[in-house]
Parts: sequence; C-alpha cells; structure tokens
Amino acid sequence: SQQGEEDPQALSIQEGENATMNCSYKTSINNLQWYRQNSGRGLVHLILIRSNEREKHSGRLRVTLDTSKKSSSLLITASRAADTASYFCATANFGNEKLTFGTGTRLTIIP
Amino acid sequence: SAVISQKPSRDICQRGTSLTIQCQVDSQVTMMFWYRQQPGQSLTLIATANQGSEATYESGFVIDKFPISRPNLTFSTLTVSNMSPEDSSIYLCSVKQGMNTEAFFGQGTRLTVV
Repeated sequence: SQQGEEDPQALSIQEGENATMNCSYKTSINNLQWYRQNSGRGLVHLILIRSNEREKHSGRLRVTLDTSKKSSSLLITASRAADTASYFCATANFGNEKLTFGTGTRLTIIP
Repeated sequence: SAVISQKPSRDICQRGTSLTIQCQVDSQVTMMFWYRQQPGQSLTLIATANQGSEATYESGFVIDKFPISRPNLTFSTLTVSNMSPEDSSIYLCSVKQGMNTEAFFGQGTRLTVV
C-alpha cells in the first residue's frame, strides 16, 4: 500500500516557470527520496533527504522536508520541456530499507 | 551510483507461461529489491532478494507466483509464473549499497500478457 499521497496528481506549466510538487506520508521516516520516470521507463534518482535535514539542493531542484507535518516538497526551477515526466516520492522507515512510494505527480511542460 | 542492467526490456507473453527477468549490477550491493508498477499506478514492492537464501515477500505476493533468486551480490532474477493478463506491468529491480542511502533502479521490464 502507498505510504503517501502526492499532489497535485497532474500539473501543466509553461516552459521557464517553476513547478512545485508535494508529498505527504503517514509514519516516521529515516529518509525520503524523489524520483523521475519518463514514459513508463525506469526511475531516475533525483535527491535523497534524511530525517534530520530540512532542505537540499541539486542543480535546479530544491527539496524540503517537514517531519512535524510529515510532508516534503520538490521544486523544479526554470522548467524545461525535458522535465516532462512523472515524479514520485518514496520513504524509508527506520530499520527498514524498503521504499514505499507515493502516488506520483504527472508534470507536463508546455514549450 | 551502481549501473543496473535489466533484461528483457520488454516482452509479450502468452497466458499460462512464465517469464524470468534478470537484474545484473556492475558492483556488489547490499540490498536488492523487486517492484511492480501496474499500468498508470505507482510502484509496489514485491520482495527483497536475499543473497543465498529465500526472498522476503510483501503481503499479497507469494513465492509460487514470483520466485526470486539471488545467487551472489551482483545478480538476481524474478520469475513471473503462470501469467495472466493481470500480470501485465512494469517490473523493476532496485539496489542499495548501504543503510540510509539512495536506491537505484534498472530500466524496467515492460510485460504484456495476452
């Protein structure tokens, strides 16, 4: 069963705009990871944020984690057509390295 | 990050047959997992592949239907047995090299059962 929910389920924005996706989860976690999936292919790892971290950056990506609210957000700045994909969050609990995935956000960048 | 090779990338199979999916990693990894992604859905964990012992299955998945092997620290197979159209999914191999670290995925196997 899914650990969490992502919203929105789908998002369409103009190229160059920023895209924000949110992930909520239900139990205490050790870390949270974000992934990108293009057209039903394999998952590309984007970023990992640990439970003692609040914010991480990687290039045009910014991830935040609020453990008190059990939520995370992924911000993609200056979006490009190539960012069109599905984005998933996944959580790992303490003492358990299995990942539980959220429902995903389908992002479409309009050229 | 580990380089993961998953084969086949896709297949169309007749119902009642079985398909074995291979996952090869270019370096030794501590943990290997198999996930299923049904059409339009998110990923669900099938099992943890344990090196040299039986896999650990999640609720709703059984060894008779999804036998898994992991003979060493770089290779694992997942077999989808006695397939039905409901088994049409993407199957993905995932690896981790330590606790509280990133999980990396293969390119997936897109299975269609007709």
